[in-house]
Order: sequence, then C-alpha cells, then structure tokens
Amino acid sequence: DQQVKQNSPSLSVQEGRISILNCDYTNSMFDYFLWYKKYPAEGPTFLISISSIKDKNEDGRFTVFLNKSAKHLSLHIVPSQPGDSAVYFCAASARLTGGGNKLTFGTGTQLKVEL
Amino acid sequence: DAGVIQSPRHEVTEMGQEVTLRCKPISGHNSLFWYRQTMMRGLELLIYFNNNVPIDDSGMPEDRFSAKMPNASFSTLKIQPSEPRDSAVYFCASSISRGSYEQYFGPGTRLTVT
Repeated sequence: DQQVKQNSPSLSVQEGRISILNCDYTNSMFDYFLWYKKYPAEGPTFLISISSIKDKNEDGRFTVFLNKSAKHLSLHIVPSQPGDSAVYFCAASARLTGGGNKLTFGTGTQLKVEL
Repeated sequence: DAGVIQSPRHEVTEMGQEVTLRCKPISGHNSLFWYRQTMMRGLELLIYFNNNVPIDDSGMPEDRFSAKMPNASFSTLKIQPSEPRDSAVYFCASSISRGSYEQYFGPGTRLTVT
C-alpha cells in the first residue's frame, strides 16, 4: 500500500523552463511534507518542505505547493538548470508516539534538464 | 562537520553469507533510521531508533534482518543469511527527534548478493 505516490518516473525539461514534479498521498495524518534530491552514488539531500497548515513555501528557484483537499503537492523549479538533473523524492511525515517522526517516501521522479 | 557515515560503501557477497552494514549518525542526533532503496519500491523504512531504542521495526522484511544501536554513535544492520533479493542500496539517516522533520542521509551501502 503506497501511501505516497509519484506517478511520473521521469521528466525531461529544457534548460530555463519550469519543471513541475507531482506527488499524491493518501494518509490524512501526514502533517509535514518534504522534497529530497538525490544524485547517483549519494544519499538523498533535503531540498524544501512545507507544513500542512500552509499551501505554499518558496526558497529561491524552488516552490512547493500543497493542496490538502486533493492530497496533492507539487515542486516547481524555475528556471530549471542542468545541475537540477537528479532523482526527486517526495516524503510525508507523521509524528510517532514513541518520539520523533517517520518519513514515508514516494518512488521518486528522475528529472533531466536538457541544454 | 561530518555527516552520516556508512560503511562499507559497496558489499558483494554470496547467497547464505552474513552481511553487516554500519552507520555512524551525526553527533547530537538522537533518531536513527535504516532505509532500503529498490527500483520497484523506492525508499522503504526498515527500522527506526529513538535514543538508541528501536521504536518501529515494522519495515524489517524478515527475521533474517536485525538491527542494533548499542550507543548513540553507532548502529548496525545485519542480514543473515543473505539472499539475492536483498540486493539494494541501504541508507542510514539521522535526525533530531524534537522540533525537526528533516532527516540527514548517509551515502548508502550498495549490497549485491550473488
């Protein structure tokens, strides 16, 4: 049962254009959402996040939008650069009674930014 | 400032052998997570420790998998006996359990079981 879904395994965009990566979730208990970026042979690195009480968070070229009613979030990258080529993972968080939080990840979207 | 350290980076072993993966979390982090990445299932949480205590091991696939955290600076994930379907990249991540959702990942161990 995949609680976080990234239905597009890959996306190709031209340099300078907008990249839009999508993510859907099913668990209404998720209260925080994160995007991670992963290069080959490296671990995922945190990119940007959003709390469930907000609908938008912006950091430079990266903006995350959250639509709680649709249980959908998206990551916009404007303008896209070749260095943005990587796998992007969407993750959703739920607090644990034992302390801390548990992240549930999607399967990832491979973004390729072409010259 | 050192990040999460994992060893080995690559491991090739034969079916039936014991495999031990190691992780040193970021100093001061009190939560530690083991993940497995495969093409089909993406990043799956295997087990999670908080203050060295296992909190959620529901993602551990079978009894062949075990994990320990004897102290705040070291954790192991052991597979005994290993099988070809265990081939994957295994990541360790750490975080501060209070007031933070962000987890910091190590570089991963690529395990190949032949």
